[in-house]
Amino acid sequence: NAGVMQNPRHLVRRRGQEARLRCSPMKGHSHVYWYRQLPEEGLKFMVYLQKENIIDESGMPKERFSAEFPKEGPSILRIQQVVRGDSAAYFCASSPGRTSWGNTIYFGEGSWLTVV
Amino acid sequence: ILNVEQSPQSLHVQEGDSTNFTCSFPSSNFYALHWYRWETAKSPEALFVMTLNGDEKKKGRISATLNTKEGYSYLYIKGSQPEDSATYLCASLAYGGATNKLIFGTGTLLAVQP
Repeated sequence: NAGVMQNPRHLVRRRGQEARLRCSPMKGHSHVYWYRQLPEEGLKFMVYLQKENIIDESGMPKERFSAEFPKEGPSILRIQQVVRGDSAAYFCASSPGRTSWGNTIYFGEGSWLTVV
Repeated sequence: ILNVEQSPQSLHVQEGDSTNFTCSFPSSNFYALHWYRWETAKSPEALFVMTLNGDEKKKGRISATLNTKEGYSYLYIKGSQPEDSATYLCASLAYGGATNKLIFGTGTLLAVQP
């Protein structure tokens, strides 16, 4: 059973470009979470999605950032008009059900975004 | 405590030493406490999910305890080995309706010297 797959693993973008990060959850998992790790900081929650629905996006910046988890295909975290402060590691995680049901979440290996 | 806090920030021990570190979390609206082990260049690996006050979980040489009333959890490693070197993260899940976000601490970096 393949784990959570993220791509690209490393992405370099110039200021003002768009960055798209993809996440394929583990087989059978319909809940996806995106976390961001800024340099010298811990994992910060961004958004929680269930198939075709955004459940909680309270950690996502209001502008330039969006996330989706379509019925078919991977979850995508999209950052428009990137700025240097967006440089970070973005981690995706998935679970088979809600964490409030006692489920743990399984992480991918992360996507490192560098904005130059 | 509004955030999840972990201490110490880093720890250097010799092979064979036993060690422990602390996770403090908001005790109000507590639902679950997760522990993860994170090796460099890999993905965080789930160790334990704990929900009940007084709960104790064990996995090999690693064990964890939970006190939900005072809002802390301890992680213990008995007889540390070099392969235990990693960052250990804890994350708290609080009641909040549809909210299922885990709030992570900044981790304890453990380095075990042979």
